[in-house]
Amino acid sequence: DAGVIQSPRHEVTEMGQEVTLRCKPISGHNSLFWYRQTMMRGLELLIYFNNNVPIDDSGMPEDRFSAKMPNASFSTLKIQPSEPRDSAVYFCASSLRGDRSSYEQYFGPGTRLTVT
Amino acid sequence: AQSVTQPDIHITVSEGASLELRCNYSYGATPYLFWYVQSPGQGLQLLLKYFSGDTLVQGIKGFEAEFKRSQSSFNLRKPSVHWSDAAEYFCAVGEQGGSEKLVFGKGTKLTVNP
Repeated sequence: DAGVIQSPRHEVTEMGQEVTLRCKPISGHNSLFWYRQTMMRGLELLIYFNNNVPIDDSGMPEDRFSAKMPNASFSTLKIQPSEPRDSAVYFCASSLRGDRSSYEQYFGPGTRLTVT
Repeated sequence: AQSVTQPDIHITVSEGASLELRCNYSYGATPYLFWYVQSPGQGLQLLLKYFSGDTLVQGIKGFEAEFKRSQSSFNLRKPSVHWSDAAEYFCAVGEQGGSEKLVFGKGTKLTVNP
């Protein structure tokens, strides 16, 4: 299995630009999670989907952030407009909801975002 | 609200020495507990998990953890550390029968001296 795939691995952009991060979950998994990791705040859950439906977006910091999951094999996290404080590593993770093993989340390699 | 505390931000051990990383959680119900490891520039990899049953669980790479309900702890151990174990370790807790959300601790960075 290819695991969770994220692109790009690194993104450098200027303040005010739109940024789109992409994630392909493990085939067959039906839950998908977006996290943000910073030194100050650690690992924070931004939003998660089950069967392509957003279940909990309480961690999304503000309206500049949006996430979509148009189908079972693809999700995007968009920041518009981006700000320097958005600089972080963004992780996508997936799991198979169905029994207790659904709590096992498999992480992608992350996207390191730098906003200048 | 659920919370996870990893009291040690940074630990340094010598190669071959034993290791124990501490994790305490605060949660009213019976939790699911996990340890993840993150190598530099990488995503998080699941080391081991506890759902129920035997309170001593074995994981990959020679790690084990023990669930102690009375102490609300889930400490990670390894009898002999290898240089390749240098990484950051995260404890996480989930809610049995609840949402799929995991709450992560802030992590413990492990340095291994030769």
